[in-house]
Amino acid sequence: DQQVKQNSPSLSVQEGRISILNCDYTNSMFDYFLWYKKYPAEGPTFLISISSIKDKNEDGRFTVFLNKSAKHLSLHIVPSQPGDSAVYFCAASATGTASKLTFGTGTRLQVTL
Amino acid sequence: DAGVIQSPRHEVTEMGQEVTLRCKPISGHNSLFWYRQTMMRGLELLIYFNNNVPIDDSGMPEDRFSAKMPNASFSTLKIQPSEPRDSAVYFCASRPTGSQPQHFGDGTRLSIL
Repeated sequence: DQQVKQNSPSLSVQEGRISILNCDYTNSMFDYFLWYKKYPAEGPTFLISISSIKDKNEDGRFTVFLNKSAKHLSLHIVPSQPGDSAVYFCAASATGTASKLTFGTGTRLQVTL
Repeated sequence: DAGVIQSPRHEVTEMGQEVTLRCKPISGHNSLFWYRQTMMRGLELLIYFNNNVPIDDSGMPEDRFSAKMPNASFSTLKIQPSEPRDSAVYFCASRPTGSQPQHFGDGTRLSIL
């Protein structure tokens, strides 16, 4: 039972364009969401997060949007750079179980020149 | 700042052998997590500790898996006996109690022949 889903295993975007990575969740108790980025042979590193009281959070080139009614979030990267090429994981947690993160299966982003 | 340190980085062993994975969390972090990453299931939480006490081990696949945290700066994940299907990348993560995000080590790539 996959409670956090990333339906696109891979995405290719040209340098300078926008990258949009999507994530859907099924558990209505989730109220905190995170994006992690992972390079090969390294552990995931935290990128950006959003609480369910917000619908948008921005940090430099990275913006996360949350649509609670659709149980959907997305990560926008503008402009995309070759160094952004990595696997991106969406994760979610619920108040009261804040220690537990449920991860999606990841989307591999390739930014081409 | 030292991050989460895992050892060994790679482990290759024969089926039936005991395997011990090690983790040193970030100093001051009270919560520690063990994850397993496979192609089929992505990143799965195996067990987590708060203040050295196991809180939730519902993700541990079988009795062959055990984890300990004898003190605030060290944890082990043991598999005995190991089987080929245990081959995966095992990540350790830590965070201060009550806050996100989790910080990950670079993982141990385990191959059971």
